[in-house]
Amino acid sequence: AQKVTQAQTEISVVEKEDVTLDCVYETRDTTYYLFWYKQPPSGELVFLIRRNSFDEQNEISGRYSWNFQKSTSSFNFTITASQVVDSAVYFCALRDSGTYKYIFGTGTRLKVLA
Amino acid sequence: DTGVSQNPRHKITKRGQNVTFRCDPISEHNRLYWYRQTLGQGPEFLTYFQNEAQLEKSRLLSDRFSAERPKGSFSTLEIQRTEQGDSAMYLCASSSLGAGWVSEQFFGPGTRLTVL
Repeated sequence: AQKVTQAQTEISVVEKEDVTLDCVYETRDTTYYLFWYKQPPSGELVFLIRRNSFDEQNEISGRYSWNFQKSTSSFNFTITASQVVDSAVYFCALRDSGTYKYIFGTGTRLKVLA
Repeated sequence: DTGVSQNPRHKITKRGQNVTFRCDPISEHNRLYWYRQTLGQGPEFLTYFQNEAQLEKSRLLSDRFSAERPKGSFSTLEIQRTEQGDSAMYLCASSSLGAGWVSEQFFGPGTRLTVL
């Protein structure tokens, strides 16, 4: 069965601190896709990154970086030098190759304090 | 390029009434998805269309729920005989069909339903 676990319900950091959001997934499929979305207070989900199961390269985009490790079924997201505008709920999602639906985790609420 | 739009943004109804929501996907996106999100939870998949064909439905989609995408463009989600448990944010997303690669889903702002 597919499952996404985001064990951190809420994280608070002070501006400029680094923060890592954890995501652990379960799937029996050998080909799958992982995603991170941001949901700011306005409510609209914003796509951040997609990663294919056959591509374990980590990625950096500005202050954002992602660490994908198949051995531990984890796809963690790090924000470097956090800013108040990073405050939002962040969701990790999984899609198996045989379906188009996403399975979302329960989200991690990040609060960045000035 | 406009994003996914949903109407209405908010809907308050009394238990037992029928409601209908509309979603307009990004133009030329031929895949359209409906999700439901309750407070403190991630979105839960409801159904998916490729063009006008409804290809996948969740068990969450009870007989009171029906979705259509008649011309492969906009979609409607209808809930009949609403119940208080239907109160949630209903999200629509769309993606393009790309041979040999995966396209991410782009989400609309959602319709928040409150059933009194």
